[in-house]
Amino acid sequence: GQNIDQPTEMTATEGAIVQINCTYQTSGFNGLFWYQQHAGEAPTFLSYNVLDGLEEKGRFSSFLSRSKGYSYLLLKELQMKDSASYLCAVRGGDYKLSFGAGTTVTVRA
Amino acid sequence: ETGVTQTPRHLVMGMTNKKSLKCEQHLGHNAMYWYKQSAKKPLELMFVYSLEERVENNSVPSRFSPECPNSSHLFLHLHTLQPEDSALYLCASSQGGGRGNEKLFFGSGTQLSVL
Repeated sequence: GQNIDQPTEMTATEGAIVQINCTYQTSGFNGLFWYQQHAGEAPTFLSYNVLDGLEEKGRFSSFLSRSKGYSYLLLKELQMKDSASYLCAVRGGDYKLSFGAGTTVTVRA
Repeated sequence: ETGVTQTPRHLVMGMTNKKSLKCEQHLGHNAMYWYKQSAKKPLELMFVYSLEERVENNSVPSRFSPECPNSSHLFLHLHTLQPEDSALYLCASSQGGGRGNEKLFFGSGTQLSVL
């Protein structure tokens, strides 16, 4: 099976930077996704990594190290609207997508 | 607006009731999914339909019965549920059957409470 670990909660101040780590143990690897889910809303796609390195999209960046089974999502210049749950999901060797339990980020003024 | 619409948003039902959840996608995708999201737990994949054919059923109890009449619509029929089935049920769609970088588009979910 797949094991996806990410912290349960994180708190940061508006304007700051927060890094959400995700470690995984899977049988094979075919990509890693990050989704954002505001309370009561649909999860929405943020990023996809399949090769090692950093993918940058505006204030959000995602990093992957396949050899370490590790990814992080970096949120810069935090805004109040970034308060949400962030879900790490890994597509394993069987192409099944497994999700972590999510990290709830609270941004304080 | 993600292009995936779920109804109802909230549902309270007794253990002897029969109800159905509905999902509709307006994205022209060819795969649709049902997920269960319980508090503080990872999303659990329940069913996958690709080109209207069920391709995955993750040992879901028979009290959950999916139906996919066409590529735009997906239903989850519920009967004789248990209190532990209370959760947020999310529908998703994608273009492709999950072999690459295709991302999932989720609906806002149905918050189900079983009394």
